Amino acid sequence: DGGITQSPKYLFRKEGQNVTLSCEQNLNHDAMYWYRQDPGQGLRLIYYSQIVNDFQKGDIAEGYSVSREKKESFPLTVTSAQKNPTAFYLCASSFPGFLGNTIYFGEGSWLTVV
Amino acid sequence: GQQLNQSPQSMFIQEGEDVSMNCTSSSIFNTWLWYKQDPGEGPVLLIALYKAGELTSNGRLTAQFGITRKDSFLNISASIPSDVGIYFCAGQPRNNDMRFGAGTRLTVKP
Repeated sequence: DGGITQSPKYLFRKEGQNVTLSCEQNLNHDAMYWYRQDPGQGLRLIYYSQIVNDFQKGDIAEGYSVSREKKESFPLTVTSAQKNPTAFYLCASSFPGFLGNTIYFGEGSWLTVV
Repeated sequence: GQQLNQSPQSMFIQEGEDVSMNCTSSSIFNTWLWYKQDPGEGPVLLIALYKAGELTSNGRLTAQFGITRKDSFLNISASIPSDVGIYFCAGQPRNNDMRFGAGTRLTVKP
């Protein structure tokens, strides 16, 4: 089935550790995104990538890093520099272009700092 | 960046009632999308709008792309308990820069 797969669903991190969230899509989408969602709030853009080997910072990129070595994959690393990383993380993808740029989401990953 | 104002923030309605929510922006958008999110899950696309004035339905859901290109609304008719969730609007002011509203939390009482 076509879709966006995020893993793990739940992740616990000790303070000072880096963790990586995986995102894989088989929709043949060029663009991929990472959003952060805090309880009761909307989605905030962390990073996005329009094409392989290229990515741009979103609104809240500090403390995060990404890579885009393959079209299908866009992993997000939450570094120890991110002071408040506990949140729900959503990966998304879309075709680029002026019209029809509909974003589809994965099922999300919960990150908790313990 | 451009932000969307989504209202209302929450709604408590009786089963069978109609629901209306909207999003506005100070900027012109090229695309409006409406999503529903269940707790602990990713948002699921409900309706996508690409042209000013466009009115699109998906079952009991109807959404419109405002003629000024700065707003959109979503209506749900004859609500049922499974309509419970958070509804997000999203707008695209330019390529690959989707902006999201803060969401409308819908509660349906049987």
